Amino acid sequence: DTGVSQNPRHKITKRGQNVTFRCDPISEHNRLYWYRQTLGQGPEFLTYFQNEAQLEKSRLLSDRFSAERPKGSFSTLEIQRTEQGDSAMYLCASTLKDGNTEAFFGQGTRLTVV
Amino acid sequence: SQKIEQNSEALNIQEGKTATLTCNYTNYSPAYLQWYRQDPGRGPVFLLLIRENEKEKRKERLKVTFDTTLKQSLFHITASQPADSATYLCALERGSTLGRLYFGRGTQLTVWP
Repeated sequence: DTGVSQNPRHKITKRGQNVTFRCDPISEHNRLYWYRQTLGQGPEFLTYFQNEAQLEKSRLLSDRFSAERPKGSFSTLEIQRTEQGDSAMYLCASTLKDGNTEAFFGQGTRLTVV
Repeated sequence: SQKIEQNSEALNIQEGKTATLTCNYTNYSPAYLQWYRQDPGRGPVFLLLIRENEKEKRKERLKVTFDTTLKQSLFHITASQPADSATYLCALERGSTLGRLYFGRGTQLTVWP
């Protein structure tokens, strides 16, 4: 296992289209997080999973966003009816413990909505 | 409102000098504070974690201090090298929401030869 993997690395989509991103965490990590990062800003929390359970969602996560982690392994983040404001880097991270531990981030998916 | 502020968006220093980055926060009571490095187009990479009851932590050329009275963390890179050039992110972890990280905007460090 070489770390957290995110696919695709880049996605360009037209406004109004749906997009889905995938994150494969480190295999023994039970916590999985999604963050969003725009240019010049730090990552902002979107949601997280403990195994397959989604435990918290940020207010940033509008109804157009949905995330799943069906078997407690990989996760998907879907954005419906994309808007230009959704353009950002979407980062996935996983941790071995519930807290007080380093987060391992993937390389991110760069979304551009045109 | 809650804020995490990192000193100046950019810091330029000469190779061999010590880089000092600042992270100040308001209206947070973090249980832990972490520092990450981020290179352009890549995800953050963990560097150090310090607990609220720890004053200082070191790892090779890196040193972090944590002052809960001043609500400040300092991050030092000694004997800096051009390869240290990157954006450094401060992240807080609250006891009530362990695991969830609250990030500052980052400081872009450039080390010139």
